[in-house]
Amino acid sequence: GENVEQHPSTLSVQEGDSAVIKCTYSDSASNYFPWYKQELGKRPQLIIDIRSNVGEKKDQRIAVTLNKTAKHFSLHITETQPEDSAVYFCAAPYSGGGADGLTFGKGTHLIIQP
Amino acid sequence: DSGVTQTPKHLITATGQRVTLRCSPRSGDLSVYWYQQSLDQGLQFLIQYYNGEERAKGNILERFSAQQFPDLHSELNLSSLELGDSALYFCASSTGFSRIAKNIQYFGAGTRLSVL
Repeated sequence: GENVEQHPSTLSVQEGDSAVIKCTYSDSASNYFPWYKQELGKRPQLIIDIRSNVGEKKDQRIAVTLNKTAKHFSLHITETQPEDSAVYFCAAPYSGGGADGLTFGKGTHLIIQP
Repeated sequence: DSGVTQTPKHLITATGQRVTLRCSPRSGDLSVYWYQQSLDQGLQFLIQYYNGEERAKGNILERFSAQQFPDLHSELNLSSLELGDSALYFCASSTGFSRIAKNIQYFGAGTRLSVL
């Protein structure tokens, strides 16, 4: 199956600053890369995703970039707010290009300092 | 609320026992996925069903099994439970599988299993 590495494991930023979380994947056939946010004790929720035919996607303060050649993708959060504090997971298809289960990174605990 | 319903929310049992976790997908979704979340292993894909048939297997142990019924709800059966099986088990659903369409998965609230 796919292998996804995520860094950093913990990220502390000042409120209003930007946060960047990076992930790499192993299977060049992977074509779909979602990001999930999980607050303490709650379910993972999709915040943004990108397909392999697109290099960047934005949704208000959140953006995701994808470099297929290097097999890495990143989540960018600008103007961070206290409610952004959570664990963020990147993911890729478990079997590469198919629409099946997801392989998740180990997660990044994002802490927004007031 | 994602529309994915999981029961029970909490389950406490003893080693060696067997339990069943239940999931009802979002209305219209044909695919159901099971994931296990633990501190040491993270969020791991176990198995996927699509319209009643097994579609893909992940890191599912032989002691675990699942099925999807005609009404599309799914059950995950965990047997011969060990202490290490204590975890949060999530079910997710999506419209289906396709190499063309995005496969957005919506997660249920999870079942927290404690094996004592």
